[in-house]
Amino acid sequence: AQSVTQLGSHVSVSEGALVLLRCNYSSSVPPYLFWYVQYPNQGLQLLLKYTSAATLVKGINGFEAEFKKSETSFHLTKPSAHMSDAAEYFCAVSPASGSARQLTFGSGTQLTVLP
Amino acid sequence: GAGVSQSPSNKVTEKGKDVELRCDPISGHTALYWYRQRLGQGLEFLIYFQGNSAPDKSGLPSDRFSAERTGESVSTLTIQRTQQEDSAVYLCASSLALGRANEKLFFGSGTQLSVL
Repeated sequence: AQSVTQLGSHVSVSEGALVLLRCNYSSSVPPYLFWYVQYPNQGLQLLLKYTSAATLVKGINGFEAEFKKSETSFHLTKPSAHMSDAAEYFCAVSPASGSARQLTFGSGTQLTVLP
Repeated sequence: GAGVSQSPSNKVTEKGKDVELRCDPISGHTALYWYRQRLGQGLEFLIYFQGNSAPDKSGLPSDRFSAERTGESVSTLTIQRTQQEDSAVYLCASSLALGRANEKLFFGSGTQLSVL
């Protein structure tokens, strides 16, 4: 069994400030972890993924996430927020030995960037 | 276009009516997925196609829901006798190969279904 918890359904940051979106997972087997982003009126896009290689994963648009097994976390960060980062962000987990249809998504975090 | 296309983008229907939602995956993508996203909730897996067959229908919430795929391309999700609890965004995604856990999914922008 697996699950994902995203702490904070809404996060607001000022432009230029640090972005931190939290994701904790529960998995009985080694996981793969993903962050997807959904811009207004668009489909979800893969931002980055952890697939058991380097624990610090860099994605598109300056985002990165660190897999911390001891904390069962995969928080998403970006040093300096841009207005274009306003979107909804979804964390997801799947069993590493499983298939994509076993992907479990969190409930999402809406990021607002204030001018 | 080059992405996953879903139609209609919005559908308003009356309780008890049937609806059909369409998904055109990226050309050449073998795997196709349907998800449901209720307001304030995460994506809920409905069904997965590998080619034209559906090896995993475990997420379909009731026998009112069905889906098919033809020509290893277009997929249709049908909801019969719609209920208000069916109101949600229905998302379709496709991926290139065999549906492995580390594959990148490409999502459409969804169909917003509202059942009155």
